[in-house]
Amino acid sequence: GENVEQHPSTLSVQEGDSAVIKCTYSDSASIYFPWYKQELGKGPQLIIDIRSNVGEKKDQRIAVTLNKTAKHFSLHITETQPEDSAVYFCAASRGGSRLTFGEGTQLTVNP
Amino acid sequence: KAGVTQTPRYLIKTRGQQVTLSCSPISGHRSVSWYQQTPGQGLQFLFEYFSETQRNKGNFPGRFSGRQFSNSRSEMNVSTLELGDSALYLCASSPDGGGYNEQFFGPGTRLTVL
Repeated sequence: GENVEQHPSTLSVQEGDSAVIKCTYSDSASIYFPWYKQELGKGPQLIIDIRSNVGEKKDQRIAVTLNKTAKHFSLHITETQPEDSAVYFCAASRGGSRLTFGEGTQLTVNP
Repeated sequence: KAGVTQTPRYLIKTRGQQVTLSCSPISGHRSVSWYQQTPGQGLQFLFEYFSETQRNKGNFPGRFSGRQFSNSRSEMNVSTLELGDSALYLCASSPDGGGYNEQFFGPGTRLTVL
């Protein structure tokens, strides 16, 4: 089955710096790659996603890139703010509702 | 639109008991999926329901089951609870569950098995 690996497991940055989280996937049939942010006591919140026919997507301070050949995709957060502190999960899907998640990255933004 | 709601938010049960969790999807969404989240195993897919039918199933034992009603609300049931079933159970809904499928999660039900 699909396997998604996520790095790093923890990331600490200073406010205003950029943060990058990387994921690799194993199933070449995966076509959809969402990123979720989970704050303490809450469910995961979809923050951005990318489809297999797109190499890059940006939404304000957040961007995601996809390299299908290498089976890599990454989340980039610029101008980080303390409220960006949370656990971030990448996921992959062949289409449909079954998401395979990475292990998560605890991002801490220090004021 | 109201988001995905889950009830109850917290549950404490003892080994051997059974439990039923409830999920109400976003209005108009017909697909409901369930995930288990634990510190050791992370987020794992349990099953998906669409139009009252189980459409996809993860690698969990038969003690885990679910159903969906005609209004798209879903329940999941865990029988003969084990200590290892302690977890956050998350429900996610999407319009139809197909293709590039944006899923929206509820806040979860925290189950503790003693």
